[in-house]
Amino acid sequence: EPEVTQTPSHQVTQMGQEVILRCVPISNHLYFYWYRQILGQKVEFLVSFYNNEISEKSEIFDDQFSVERPDGSNFTLKIRSTKLEDSAMYFCASSDSGGSRNEQFFGPGTRLTVL
Amino acid sequence: QKEVEQDPGPLSVPEGAIVSLNCTYSNSAFQYFMWYRQYSRKGPELLMYTYSSGNKEDGRFTAQVDKSSKYISLFIRDSQPSDSATYLCAMTPSGSARQLTFGSGTQLTVLP
Repeated sequence: EPEVTQTPSHQVTQMGQEVILRCVPISNHLYFYWYRQILGQKVEFLVSFYNNEISEKSEIFDDQFSVERPDGSNFTLKIRSTKLEDSAMYFCASSDSGGSRNEQFFGPGTRLTVL
Repeated sequence: QKEVEQDPGPLSVPEGAIVSLNCTYSNSAFQYFMWYRQYSRKGPELLMYTYSSGNKEDGRFTAQVDKSSKYISLFIRDSQPSDSATYLCAMTPSGSARQLTFGSGTQLTVLP
């Protein structure tokens, strides 16, 4: 069964460093998303991406964040200068373009720890 | 008022029990409703997807949506220890590339 994959599973970084989180969405999907979940809190939407541009973004997704689809399979989230409060699980999701459905399938997540 | 409210539990039931999980919401624009299951330190796994009001059944799972009351439910019949997880409701205003708004999740334990 096709699935969303994410690497790395755990990333530890120093405050102020740049990190890139990687995702491989399901191959025939065209819509891509990033969400985050701070420990013990809700899953929160960050950004959606379609046709090589951002469709929607939340207020969390400020200038420190960027997304890119560098090739036909990868989808990345970059945090330019990490802060302590960026420590969270980051989930990538994808959905297909069929009709009006928006079934989003999630990857296993990357645990980001900022020291 | 939070957009989506969900009782965090924890909820503990004996094996074989019927489980009822619920969410309420305030945004009348929500049209699509989902239930995800999340095991500890894993990604959310899509269980059920429904549009507008009504019921949808899939095996031991039944999802109900009552838009007039802004209330959605997930029922699990014949619950199993493997159903022990956190259940998240999620919803979105429309079907194409719209952000999901999640509830806080209900932690369920099914005791053997």
